Amino acid sequence: NAGVTQTPKFRILKIGQSMTLQCTQDMNHNYMYWYRQDPGMGLKLIYYSVGAGITDKGEVPNGYNVSRSTTEDFPLRLELAAPSQTSVYFCASSYLAGQGGELFFGEGSRLTVL
Amino acid sequence: GQQVMQIPQYQHVQEGEDFTTYCNSSTTLSNIQWYKQRPGGHPVFLIQLVKSGEVKKQKRLTFQFGEAKKNSSLHITATQTTDVGTYFCAGRAGAGKSTFGDGTTLTVKP
Repeated sequence: NAGVTQTPKFRILKIGQSMTLQCTQDMNHNYMYWYRQDPGMGLKLIYYSVGAGITDKGEVPNGYNVSRSTTEDFPLRLELAAPSQTSVYFCASSYLAGQGGELFFGEGSRLTVL
Repeated sequence: GQQVMQIPQYQHVQEGEDFTTYCNSSTTLSNIQWYKQRPGGHPVFLIQLVKSGEVKKQKRLTFQFGEAKKNSSLHITATQTTDVGTYFCAGRAGAGKSTFGDGTTLTVKP
C-alpha cells in the first residue's frame, strides 16, 4: 500500500494563479483532511470529508475549495493564489473519527506564492 | 472554537536529559493523539489516549491524559539524538475533526 500520496511536492505560483493539489489514499479510509502548516506552527484544518460526496469547512477554509467524488481522492483547489497561502500542505486520512482514528499523512506539498 | 495550547514551544536538552511537553485544551476532549514530525518530514502518529487519567508507555516515552480530559503530557526519559523533532498533540472534541497544538520542537545536543 502506498498510503496517502500527494502531488506535486513543490510548486511556485504567481499571485492570482490557480492550482489543484492532488491527494489520493489506497487504504479505503472514509475520512480525509487537508491541513496547512506555516513555519513554526501547528497544523490548521482547511477542509475535511467524512465520505464521498460530503465535505465541510475546517478552521481556515477561505481561498480554498475541495471535492470528494470518490473514496480515494480529495483534491484541494486554490483559486486566485495569494502570498498568505504560502505554506506546506498536508493531506491526511483516517479510518475512523473517534477511537482508532489515527491520521495517516502524506509527505506534504510545499507551495510558494510570489 | 476549540483551542489546544502546547508548551513549551522549544526545548533544548543535552543527550541523556529528560524532556516533557504539555498540552491543554479549552474544552473537554473525547481523545487526544500525539504525533512526531522530523525536520522536513510529515507528522507520524505515536499514540492515542481515550480514558480519563490514562497512562501509556512506549519504551522511553510516557503519555498521560488528565483526569478532566482537558490536558495531556508526553515525557521522554533519557533523550537520544533520534528523538529530535517536533511533537504535536491533537485533541478531538467533535466528530471528524482534530485540533492540533502548535507543537514543541525538541533539539538534542550530543
